[in-house]
Amino acid sequence: KQEVTQIPAALSVPEGENLVLNCSFTDSAIYNLQWFRQDPGKGLTSLLLIQSSQREQTSGRLNASLDKSSGRSTLYIAASQPGDSATYLCAGNNAGNMLTFGGGTRLMVKP
Amino acid sequence: SQTIHQWPATLVQPVGSPLSLECTVEGTSNPNLYWYRQAAGRGLQLLFYSVGIGQISSEVPQNLSASRPQDRQFILSSKKLLLSDSGFYLCAWSVGLANEQYFGPGTRLTVT
Repeated sequence: KQEVTQIPAALSVPEGENLVLNCSFTDSAIYNLQWFRQDPGKGLTSLLLIQSSQREQTSGRLNASLDKSSGRSTLYIAASQPGDSATYLCAGNNAGNMLTFGGGTRLMVKP
Repeated sequence: SQTIHQWPATLVQPVGSPLSLECTVEGTSNPNLYWYRQAAGRGLQLLFYSVGIGQISSEVPQNLSASRPQDRQFILSSKKLLLSDSGFYLCAWSVGLANEQYFGPGTRLTVT
């Protein structure tokens, strides 16, 4: 059974700092790994999807990497802004249809 | 472009009452549809998914059921709600297997 862990659970940084969010998973036989953003009381916004054959994906200031052999993914946010404050979730897709989510990292970017 | 709708946005229901949450997707055909629940302290959990009309797979045995009466409509139901059914219910869709999932705005359910 897939287990996904995100560290840290919460993170507070000053505006402008580059930061890394970590995601680890126990079953490396994943189809893909997806990173989401969730604002308080809202649904999930998909940020990046990395297929199992890929090593990384980039979108604007966001870069996500995937290392299946070590069971790790990272989300790198460059030049953080207060608007980046949210909870970030990673999820592994093992069975084609089922996403297993980590507990999330709650990010606060202070002006 | 594709859009996913959920309603109601919030719901307060007494224990033992029935439940019906609706999700509809626009702008795509034959999507895979999913119901997730996000409960305090428990993270996001897949409840049901559907790959076609009338085809429902349950991931977690519980007090809930799902139906897909139309291609782009997914309904979550309960005959009698429990306190433990409280949570944030999210509908999602994808096209094909192992592809990106897109989530709706969610329904906040409080069972009193």
